[in-house]
Amino acid sequence: DQQVKQNSPSLSVQEGRISILNCDYTNSMFDYFLWYKKYPAEGPTFLISISSIKDKNEDGRFTVFLNKSAKHLSLHIVPSQPGDSAVYFCAAKGGFQKLVFGTGTRLLVSP
Amino acid sequence: KAGVTQTPRYLIKTRGQQVTLSCSPISGHRSVSWYQQTPGQGLQFLFEYFSETQRNKGNFPGRFSGRQFSNSRSEMNVSTLELGDSALYLCASSFRTENTEAFFGQGTRLTVV
Repeated sequence: DQQVKQNSPSLSVQEGRISILNCDYTNSMFDYFLWYKKYPAEGPTFLISISSIKDKNEDGRFTVFLNKSAKHLSLHIVPSQPGDSAVYFCAAKGGFQKLVFGTGTRLLVSP
Repeated sequence: KAGVTQTPRYLIKTRGQQVTLSCSPISGHRSVSWYQQTPGQGLQFLFEYFSETQRNKGNFPGRFSGRQFSNSRSEMNVSTLELGDSALYLCASSFRTENTEAFFGQGTRLTVV
């Protein structure tokens, strides 16, 4: 039962353009959402999070949007840079429950 | 502030052996979670400890076990290793268990031959 879904396994974007990574969830008990970036053979690096009481959170080039009614969140990266090329994981959590991850989206930003 | 430290970074074991992986969380963090990542898979949750108590457990066989010590350091043990246990094992620490970011270590790459 995949409670957190990232339906796009990969995404290619040109440098300077916007990257939009999407994530859907099914568990209405989730109230905290996070995005992580991962390079091969390394641990995921925390990027940005959002609580269910908000619909948008911004940190520099990264913005996360949450649509609770659609059970959908997205990560916008503007402008995209080649160093952003990595696998991005969406994760969700409800209260004291475990953090549940999606299967990841591989982003490739080309110069 | 030191990050999450996992040891060893790489490990090669033979089928049937057992292995222990170690995780030292960020100072002050009391929650430690373990994940398994295999090629093509996301991060599969193994278990979570908070103040030496297992709070959550994933859907893994009993061969996978863990514990947390009073200093919040955690160990994960896998007994009777199988080829399918080859994976990147990741540890994450957080200050508490709810509504807070988890910070990951570099992982331990386990290869079972």
